[in-house]
Amino acid sequence: DGGITQSPKYLFRKEGQNVTLSCEQNLNHDAMYWYRQDPGQGLRLIYYSQIVNDFQKGDIAEGYSVSREKKESFPLTVTSAQKNPTAFYLCASSIARDRGQRNQPQHFGDGTRLSIL
Amino acid sequence: GQQVMQIPQYQHVQEGEDFTTYCNSSTTLSNIQWYKQRPGGHPVFLIQLVKSGEVKKQKRLTFQFGEAKKNSSLHITATQTTDVGTYFCAGRPPGSARQLTFGSGTQLTVLP
Repeated sequence: DGGITQSPKYLFRKEGQNVTLSCEQNLNHDAMYWYRQDPGQGLRLIYYSQIVNDFQKGDIAEGYSVSREKKESFPLTVTSAQKNPTAFYLCASSIARDRGQRNQPQHFGDGTRLSIL
Repeated sequence: GQQVMQIPQYQHVQEGEDFTTYCNSSTTLSNIQWYKQRPGGHPVFLIQLVKSGEVKKQKRLTFQFGEAKKNSSLHITATQTTDVGTYFCAGRPPGSARQLTFGSGTQLTVLP
């Protein structure tokens, strides 16, 4: 079955440590996204990538980094500069670049819950 | 700051009652999408509205996009326990590099 796989499901970070969250999709989608979900705040966009080897900052990119070396993969690194990393992180993908008035529907993975030790 | 506001944040209804969640923006939106997230799950796309005044139905769910394209609503008729979850709207404000801004969601609880 096609889908988006995020790993791990749960992750713990120590102070001063960088951690990387994995996101892999086999939907052949061009665009991929990372969101952070906090209680009562909905989803906030961290980074997005419309095509391989290119990515853009979202609304809350500070303290995070990404890479897009392969179409299937869009890993997110939560750096030690992110002072409040405890959250639920969701990766999503969509079929192609958005055109005109429409945005492509986004397909989400099951998420990674990150906590601070 | 957040440009897409959603109310109410929580809603409890008896099974069989109707439910409505509202999404409001201070600026005109190019489009609006609605997603449902079941407890412990991930958001799932429901629908997209693009045209001013557009109304779309999916069985017991009715979606509306306002005439000014600044607000939207999702109405569920005769709720069922399977409707439990958080409903998010997501709109594309102008100058947003074509990316969606999500509302804070409405968490629906259906009491049997």
